[in-house]
Amino acid sequence: DTEVTQTPKHLVMGMTNKKSLKCEQHMGHRAMYWYKQKAKKPPELMFVYSYEKLSINESVPSRFSPECPNSSLLNLHLHALQPEDSALYLCASSQDPGTTSPADTQYFGPGTRLTVL
Amino acid sequence: QKEVEQNSGPLSVPEGAIASLNCTYSDRGSQSFFWYRQYSGKSPELIMSIYSNGDKEDGRFTAQLNKASQYVSLLIRDSQPSDSATYLCAVSRGDFNKFYFGSGTKLNVKP
Repeated sequence: DTEVTQTPKHLVMGMTNKKSLKCEQHMGHRAMYWYKQKAKKPPELMFVYSYEKLSINESVPSRFSPECPNSSLLNLHLHALQPEDSALYLCASSQDPGTTSPADTQYFGPGTRLTVL
Repeated sequence: QKEVEQNSGPLSVPEGAIASLNCTYSDRGSQSFFWYRQYSGKSPELIMSIYSNGDKEDGRFTAQLNKASQYVSLLIRDSQPSDSATYLCAVSRGDFNKFYFGSGTKLNVKP
């Protein structure tokens, strides 16, 4: 089973709201990722968690705050977003954090379609 | 220079034909290569991974890797209308599994 789940499927929020995206995997994977994808563009890496510790932050604005409460769960807290943050937010996981080569396959969840009004 | 380059397409092929998708990458230290398929409005799904020079076949799909030429391709035999999607090439250098994605090639398979 290579399932990554994400909730909610769709989210509409105002610029002053606080909301959270949730991602879960039960494959025993030790690395989890957040990506942002705009229409007709490839996924853009935001954060990487390796063994529940933040290992990569791709200079993401502080209005996005990731959290990894345990090895199966990844959250993305959203606050004071801008309309240009509207996008598909994808979570992914991989067995190995990639500290040794070769890199491990990343499995993507279905995504959360976020609209910021 | 982009890390990973793909022709954005669209690539149009008739049903039953072979579709050939290409990807080049800039970093010779790249070691892991992946092809994902993404339907409109959906998330990427893995088609195939390849790590060594040569061909790797899985059903109708064949991935080809040439590290000397820094080139990876995906062949889809007996293309079906259901193969119509955007195909993303991803390359990793092994730094915390960071993937570098190409911009994707849109494939249209005409019935």
